[in-house]
Amino acid sequence: NAGVTQTPKFRILKIGQSMTLQCTQDMNHNYMYWYRQDPGMGLKLIYYSVGAGITDKGEVPNGYNVSRSTTEDFPLRLELAAPSQTSVYFCASTETGIPQDATDTQYFGPGTRLTVL
Amino acid sequence: QQQVKQSPQSLIVQKGGIPIINCAYENTAFDYFPWYQQFPGKGPALLIAIRPDVSEKKEGRFTISFNKSAKQFSLHIMDSQPGDSATYFCAASPRTGGYNKLIFGAGTRLAVHP
Repeated sequence: NAGVTQTPKFRILKIGQSMTLQCTQDMNHNYMYWYRQDPGMGLKLIYYSVGAGITDKGEVPNGYNVSRSTTEDFPLRLELAAPSQTSVYFCASTETGIPQDATDTQYFGPGTRLTVL
Repeated sequence: QQQVKQSPQSLIVQKGGIPIINCAYENTAFDYFPWYQQFPGKGPALLIAIRPDVSEKKEGRFTISFNKSAKQFSLHIMDSQPGDSATYFCAASPRTGGYNKLIFGAGTRLAVHP
């Protein structure tokens, strides 16, 4: 299993450009998440999905959009890039929405480092 | 609103020392508390997790202590090694109705010197 994969690894955008961050998991997990990580800060939840066709906002959704047409893929869309969106973006997935023990953990991808100039 | 407060921001110990990282939470609905370890350029990876029905959990050199009445939990790393140098995040999640969404602390950057 490749686990959670993210592309691209790095990207530089100009203000106002748009792009899609790709996330794919091969573990057949229903639950998927997008986080951003700013320097010296923990991870903040942007959007999450509990299954194909079902998405909802997290803590910091403004400026982003998501879709979930398949179980495997959960792309994150930035429509009008702003410098405040410079961050490292992580996608994660998990099997269950009710964690019982460590096996119900979220598995994270390697991240996409985005810079908006 | 910062629902999970983590301290210290950074920590330096000598090899063999026992670094301790503390977290406090506010939301009494939280009942799943994982710790994640992150190396530079990598995604976070689960280290150990605890539920509030136990006061301590050990896995190898890593121990979580949990104080439900104080709403605090901490990570202890026994016999720390240079390879433990990483950023550590505590997190919390409500077990029911939370869709396994995690609220993270701000992170602690640990350096273990040889």
